[in-house]
Amino acid sequence: EAGVTQFPSHSVIEKGQTVTLRCDPISGHDNLYWYRRVMGKEIKFLLHFVKESKQDESGMPNNRFLAERTGGTYSTLKVQPAELEDSGVYFCASSQELGLAGQFFGPGTRLTVL
Amino acid sequence: RKEVEQDPGPFNVPEGATVAFNCTYSNSASQSFFWYRQDCRKEPKLLMSVYSSGNEDGRFTAQLNRASQYISLLIRDSKLSDSATYLCVVNRLNYGQNFVFGPGTRLSVLP
Repeated sequence: EAGVTQFPSHSVIEKGQTVTLRCDPISGHDNLYWYRRVMGKEIKFLLHFVKESKQDESGMPNNRFLAERTGGTYSTLKVQPAELEDSGVYFCASSQELGLAGQFFGPGTRLTVL
Repeated sequence: RKEVEQDPGPFNVPEGATVAFNCTYSNSASQSFFWYRQDCRKEPKLLMSVYSSGNEDGRFTAQLNRASQYISLLIRDSKLSDSATYLCVVNRLNYGQNFVFGPGTRLSVLP
């Protein structure tokens, strides 16, 4: 069974540019999550989708970040315009069940904003 | 104070040693608990869920003390391949599916 995949694996952009990250969850997983790890800090929750609906977006840092999951399959996370402090590793995870089951993570996208 | 705190580490232990990781959480409404491991520059991978009665998976034993809001992970007979960062993760179910990660404790198992 294929795991969670993310694209691109690395992205280097300049401040003010736009970047779109993509996540393909494990097939059949209704729950999809975005996380971010800024250098030297712990992994932080950004948001949670159940199918195409945003269940919890309390972790989104500001309105420069837009996440979508049209059709309830893959998800995109757009950063526009990117700032220096957006640099970090963006992880996507998916799970079949709420709550008690753990999540399966993708390999992450390493974003560098110059 | 961070919502989930862990031993700062790093832990450097010889092969075959027993090592214990500690984790505390501040939100008493937390409902589910996990240990993940993360290898350098890789994604976190689920190691085990932590149940109230405690649970064991081979060389790994996890314990939960809800009264003390404390979680532990014990690794027996450590192997070189156990070298990684161990992350304590807590799910505040009452606040949605918002998983909170601890900062992690790095383990190096030495030959």
